[in-house]
Amino acid sequence: AQTVTQSQPEMSVQEAETVTLSCTYDTSESDYYLFWYKQPPSRQMILVIRQEAYKQQNATENRFSVNFQKAAKSFSLKISDSQLGDAAMYFCAYRGSNTGNQFYFGTGTSLTVIP
Amino acid sequence: GAGVSQTPSNKVTEKGKYVELRCDPISGHTALYWYRQSLGQGPEFLIYFQGTGAADDSGLPNDRFFAVRPEGSVSTLKIQRTERGDSAVYLCASSLFFTGELFFGEGSRLTVL
Repeated sequence: AQTVTQSQPEMSVQEAETVTLSCTYDTSESDYYLFWYKQPPSRQMILVIRQEAYKQQNATENRFSVNFQKAAKSFSLKISDSQLGDAAMYFCAYRGSNTGNQFYFGTGTSLTVIP
Repeated sequence: GAGVSQTPSNKVTEKGKYVELRCDPISGHTALYWYRQSLGQGPEFLIYFQGTGAADDSGLPNDRFFAVRPEGSVSTLKIQRTERGDSAVYLCASSLFFTGELFFGEGSRLTVL
């Protein structure tokens, strides 16, 4: 089965600074999708950014960008100009094209933003 | 509706009781997922529906858990003879396309005393 590993249970960042959250995954598939989801205390998971494995260009959404290293099976999330509202749990997720429709999630990284 | 709606938001029950959790997906979304999230963990897959049928129920932990989606829209997750270990947040998500992103509800927090 596919596994997704987030090795940083907790991270903190000063407001307006940059932070990088790490994610690695294990797969034998060549075509798949990667996602970062944000879960604030309200519990609702919100999509932050997605990356298709066949695309070499790293995805970017405003202050959020990824560093996708396919050979290393690494998918880190960079948050620039951190804001207080960025404080949340962040989950990395994998969805393969040959593994049905299952999304595999990591255990999450709790991000604290220090004012 | 505008988003995925889950009811109840919180449910407290006693060990051995029967529980139903409801999910109303985004209108038009054909795919519907149920996940279970324990404290400090990521979401754990339970079951996936494409339309009315359960396309993948491999994540259901045992036969006490069952889910239906009779008309291809609203889904109900049913848990019989609840155990304290069933305590968790149950998340529902829906998706429009086969490879699309998941849109989540706010979850139903189940506490079994």
